Amino acid sequence: EAQVTQNPRYLITVTGKKLTVTCSQNMNHEYMSWYRQDPGLGLRQIYYSMNVEVTDKGDVPEGYKVSRKEKRNFPLILESPSPNQTSLYFCASALAPNDVYEQYFGPGTRLTVT
Amino acid sequence: DAKTTQPNSMESNEEEPVHLPCNHSTISGTDYIHWYRQLPSQGPEYVIHGLTSNVNNRMASLAIAEDRKSSTLILHRATLRDAAVYYCILMYNQGGKLIFGQGTELSVKP
Repeated sequence: EAQVTQNPRYLITVTGKKLTVTCSQNMNHEYMSWYRQDPGLGLRQIYYSMNVEVTDKGDVPEGYKVSRKEKRNFPLILESPSPNQTSLYFCASALAPNDVYEQYFGPGTRLTVT
Repeated sequence: DAKTTQPNSMESNEEEPVHLPCNHSTISGTDYIHWYRQLPSQGPEYVIHGLTSNVNNRMASLAIAEDRKSSTLILHRATLRDAAVYYCILMYNQGGKLIFGQGTELSVKP
């Protein structure tokens, strides 16, 4: 089944403790992206990747890192999480950089930073 | 960056057409207009996209104004399953950066 998977689905952590949220897709998509969703703010793009080893900032990249060492995986790293990073996070993928109209989204990761 | 403006909420009756508007007055010539929807407790789902011409697919139609400063997503016959938040999104140049609007929460009454 074609899908985007995220792990973990739920995470509660403390301020300053490094964490990684994994994202994996099995569709051989070149394009991948991370979003966060907050009440009243809708979805905002954090980072995106056009292909392996190619990443760029979205609207709200501060406090986050990403890497794209292989096509199927695009982990989101929070080096020193803070409470304002409490949010619902979505990973998405699309076939190619010039074909990003149909993005497939993962089920979401709900992160709470205390 | 180009932004979109959508009404916060709309209501519709089941089996009737729904027209969801979106304003994007600062759109640039290469920006594509995309629509996604998000059902409760799920990730967003692609609906339709276009550049200049009106577009149709099995889910919906997209009507784009001639000056491209606005567009309308048309659901031809709303069902209860169409109740969701609908996002009008501009593709910022060709680089993959998506700028989401606030979204319109559509409720469908039986």
